[in-house]
Amino acid sequence: DIQMTQSPSTLSASVGDRVTITCRASQSISSWLAWYQQKPGKAPKLLIYKASTLESGVPSRFSGSESGTEFTLTISSLQPDDFATYYCQQYNDYWTFGQGTKVEIK
Amino acid sequence: QVQLVESGGRVVQPGRSLRLSCAASGFTFSYYGMHWVRQAPGKGLEWVASTSYDGSNKYYADSVKGRFTISRDDSKNTLYLQMDSLRAEDTALYYCAKDTETFSTLLAGYWGQGTLVTVSS
Repeated sequence: DIQMTQSPSTLSASVGDRVTITCRASQSISSWLAWYQQKPGKAPKLLIYKASTLESGVPSRFSGSESGTEFTLTISSLQPDDFATYYCQQYNDYWTFGQGTKVEIK
Repeated sequence: QVQLVESGGRVVQPGRSLRLSCAASGFTFSYYGMHWVRQAPGKGLEWVASTSYDGSNKYYADSVKGRFTISRDDSKNTLYLQMDSLRAEDTALYYCAKDTETFSTLLAGYWGQGTLVTVSS
């Protein structure tokens, strides 16, 4: 089974900060990596797929990148609407989610 | 617009069965793979099961294999999850999700709001 290790588990940041969340796969998943945003009491929302492709309607301050089995979600300038929990997900071999990163107000 | 409405969640005793439903609208249901994902209270996301657009291929997480069955009724635009031999660790909010692409079983592009299953005596 492919394991996804996401870090950090919690991140405190201010509006305007550049934020980076990392996800490492236990084996090669090619670029089959997605990022979701979840707000309290709401369903997850797809942000990025194929490691770096922005889903339609998602602001351009969100971006994804990859280096081998390490994947990164970057928010270039954190906005008030971005305080949420973020999950990575591999879909190379069935699905596995990372543990989540809660982005909270500093 | 796309709508996914889950139902059927309730409190159930360990060892009993439950069937969840997901009513879909706003898209051609028979063209899309569909998925179930769950989230235990205060925890992360866990994939449960997926079905191809035509129901010919079904996939399950090891944690539910042999106990849960995913199915679909395209005439009713409805996805199901039959849950047997329920355990306390199955307690979660169960989401249904629509695939991102037609004729694909790849990735969840749109999610419903979930239905809560609580397994407790």
